[in-house]
Amino acid sequence: NAGVTQTPKFRILKIGQSMTLQCAQDMNHNYMYWYRQDPGMGLKLIYYSVGAGITDKGEVPNGYNVSRSTTEDFPLRLELAAPSQTSVYFCASSGAGGTGELFFGEGSRLTVL
Amino acid sequence: DAKTTQPNSMESNEEEPVHLPCNHSTISGTDYIHWYRQLPSQGPEYVIHGLTSNVNNRMASLAIAEDRKSSTLILHRATLRDAAVYYCILRDADYNYGQNFVFGPGTRLSVLP
Repeated sequence: NAGVTQTPKFRILKIGQSMTLQCAQDMNHNYMYWYRQDPGMGLKLIYYSVGAGITDKGEVPNGYNVSRSTTEDFPLRLELAAPSQTSVYFCASSGAGGTGELFFGEGSRLTVL
Repeated sequence: DAKTTQPNSMESNEEEPVHLPCNHSTISGTDYIHWYRQLPSQGPEYVIHGLTSNVNNRMASLAIAEDRKSSTLILHRATLRDAAVYYCILRDADYNYGQNFVFGPGTRLSVLP
């Protein structure tokens, strides 16, 4: 099993450009999450999904969009990139139940210049 | 989610035990206590979780106070590889919709050779 796979690992964007961060998991998990982590800080939840076709906002959703057309994939779309979106982005997944362990991807480092 | 409080940083000597504390005075009866750690330049990884009883696994032990208002993650013999940020998180087992794990700033553990 590959677990949670994120692409790309690194990306530089210009202000106003758009891009999609890809996330895929092969564990058949219903729950998927996108977090961002600014330098020296903890993780902040951007969006989450409880299953295909269902998504909801987290703590910091502005400037982002998500979709969940399949159980495996949960892409994060950045529209009109801004320097404030420079961060490391982590995708995670978990199985059902409140005790579900979170599995994280390796992260995508995004710089907006 | 109920809030947790952890020290910003701790130091340990290699091959000595480490006790990482976490306060969660507003914990509810259905909250599980989860611990994750984040090694440098990596995504967080699961360490251990528990509800009421102390728990052991190959990575660590979790000691939970009788009133459940605090817990301690115990690394029995710290190695240099254990240098990481450790996060204590509460998850409500009854709150299945969303399961939005909330990460605070955590405790940065330094291990001295």
